[in-house]
Amino acid sequence: DAGVIQSPRHEVTEMGQEVTLRCKPISGHDYLFWYRQTMMRGLELLIYFNNNVPIDDSGMPEDRFSAKMPNASFSTLKIQPSEPRDSAVYFCASGPLSIENTQYFGPGTRLTVL
Amino acid sequence: SQQGEEDPQALSIQEGENATMNCSYKTSINNLQWYRQNSGRGLVHLILIRSNEREKHSGRLRVTLDTSKKSSSLLITASRAADTASYFCATDDGMDSSYKLIFGSGTRLLVRP
Repeated sequence: DAGVIQSPRHEVTEMGQEVTLRCKPISGHDYLFWYRQTMMRGLELLIYFNNNVPIDDSGMPEDRFSAKMPNASFSTLKIQPSEPRDSAVYFCASGPLSIENTQYFGPGTRLTVL
Repeated sequence: SQQGEEDPQALSIQEGENATMNCSYKTSINNLQWYRQNSGRGLVHLILIRSNEREKHSGRLRVTLDTSKKSSSLLITASRAADTASYFCATDDGMDSSYKLIFGSGTRLLVRP
């Protein structure tokens, strides 16, 4: 299995631009998670999906952030408009339906908003 | 909100020495997991310990769990330079049926060759 795939790996954009991050979870996994990691705030859960349905988006910082999962093999996290404080590493993770809820992380997208 | 807090924040040891990291959490849990993150990479699951277990081993890793003190420790024996990474504990919320994990702030481990 290729693991969780994220694209792009690096994104540099200017303030006000729209940014779309993409994720392909591990095939067969029921859960998909979006996290943001910064030095100041550590690893924060933004939103997670179960069988393509958003379950908890309480971590989404503002209305500028939105996430979709149109099918079991694809999810996007969109920031519109982007701001410098959105600069961070964004991780996607997936996990199987299991009492142990182990998560498998992608390599992350490093976002820099100038 | 922070569920797990690791201690120490940073640890520097010589290759061959043992490394011990601690994690404290606040609520009841079903299980506790440890993850490793190499610089510039995603987190990798290392080991899981259930709330009814007190100790678990996996290769050079040893995890203990004390639910009365709401704490866990991760011991890496005979450390190698390749063990240099950040280590995070993660817990669920035993009272919450959600599938969320809450990660601590991590311990940065440096193993000097």
